[in-house]
Amino acid sequence: QVQLQQWGAGLLKPSETLSLTCAVYGGSFTGYYWTWIRQPPGKGLEWIGEINHGGSSNYNPSLKSRLTISVDTSKNQFSLKMTSVTAADTAVYYCARGNRPGVYFYYYMDVWGKGTTVTVSS
Amino acid sequence: DIQLTQSPSFLSASVGDRVTITCRASQGISSDLVWYQQKPGKAPKVLIYAASTLQSGVPSRFSGSGSGTEFTLTISSLQPEDFATYYCQQLNSYARTFGQGTKVEMK
Repeated sequence: QVQLQQWGAGLLKPSETLSLTCAVYGGSFTGYYWTWIRQPPGKGLEWIGEINHGGSSNYNPSLKSRLTISVDTSKNQFSLKMTSVTAADTAVYYCARGNRPGVYFYYYMDVWGKGTTVTVSS
Repeated sequence: DIQLTQSPSFLSASVGDRVTITCRASQGISSDLVWYQQKPGKAPKVLIYAASTLQSGVPSRFSGSGSGTEFTLTISSLQPEDFATYYCQQLNSYARTFGQGTKVEMK
């Protein structure tokens, strides 16, 4: 059974860089897109970006200038870096597996981490 | 960006009720839509993908339909464990936007 375990700093000051890592246990790392999603307190979900094992990545255009998603295949891990954070970046950040069973073209999130709360405050 | 609008935003229902949630896209997205369920303090869980395909392990009381710009999620007989917030998500283009959510509460 695939499990995602995520970690990273939970309290940041404005202008600092958010850094989170997600490790994949119990399953293959190839053939999927590894994804980050966030949810501000009391609000809905926002897709941040994704990367596959080969390093091919896609980002939310509204966040792209501040984002780097990277992958370490030797450790079955992927990471998120977001620069110049503000209070608006306060959210629960989830990592997830993007999967596409059968002949379906698109990747949707079928396995999720438990989430990491990130608070940006001076 | 493609915008997704869910209706209603809040829904009060009783166990055994038939519940329908609508998701409308600002432009056509074929069948590139997913439905998730989220309970408080938990990560979302996928219910339906490709607009109408039930994810493995999801009870058959959940069903999805639609294509183009209008989609529905139906729960045929609401169970106690179904009180949650439901989100649609489009996969047709980046930024893979979500609807604002529909909270299903106990009447």
